[in-house]
Amino acid sequence: DGGITQSPKYLFRKEGQNVTLSCEQNLNHDAMYWYRQDPGQGLRLIYYSQIVNDFQKGDIAEGYSVSREKKESFPLTVTSAQKNPTAFYLCASSSLGQLSNQPQHFGDGTRLSIL
Amino acid sequence: AQTVTQSQPEMSVQEAETVTLSCTYDTSESDYYLFWYKQPPSRQMILVIRQEAYKQQNATENRFSVNFQKAAKSFSLKISDSQLGDAAMYFCAYRSRLAYALNFGKGTSLLVTP
Repeated sequence: DGGITQSPKYLFRKEGQNVTLSCEQNLNHDAMYWYRQDPGQGLRLIYYSQIVNDFQKGDIAEGYSVSREKKESFPLTVTSAQKNPTAFYLCASSSLGQLSNQPQHFGDGTRLSIL
Repeated sequence: AQTVTQSQPEMSVQEAETVTLSCTYDTSESDYYLFWYKQPPSRQMILVIRQEAYKQQNATENRFSVNFQKAAKSFSLKISDSQLGDAAMYFCAYRSRLAYALNFGKGTSLLVTP
């Protein structure tokens, strides 16, 4: 079945450490996104990418970095510069076809906590 | 940036009854897309329904329907014949026609009681 796979499901970070969250999709979607979800908040956009080797900052990109070397993959690195990384992270993808009302499909998320 | 407001942090409905979740948004654009997503305790985001702003007809998906009032910038979700499995967080989201990222509201937690 086609879908989006995020790993790991749970992740712990030590102070000063960088960690990478994985996101892989086999939906043949061009665009991929990373969102952060905090309690009582909606999802906030961190980064997005519409094409391989290109990506744009979202509303809360500080302290995060991404890469898009393959169409299927869009890993997110939470750097030590992100002072409050504890949150639920969701990866999504969507088609960029002519029907631009295409919805985003989401993975199951990664819960990141500070040790 | 467009803002999406969900004014009801929590709602409750009895099984088999109907409930309406409200959503308003702020935009100067005339062409855009609106979505309702459901997030059950498993945390997966599931698309419930979508609406194109240029369509006057309200979208319907089985027990789920919307009341789209473009002039009022309102996009409410009606759930008919509520079921226990409908209990979840519901998020309203806006997307500009010129962009692909979504702007989300803060969500409404729906409780369904037997």
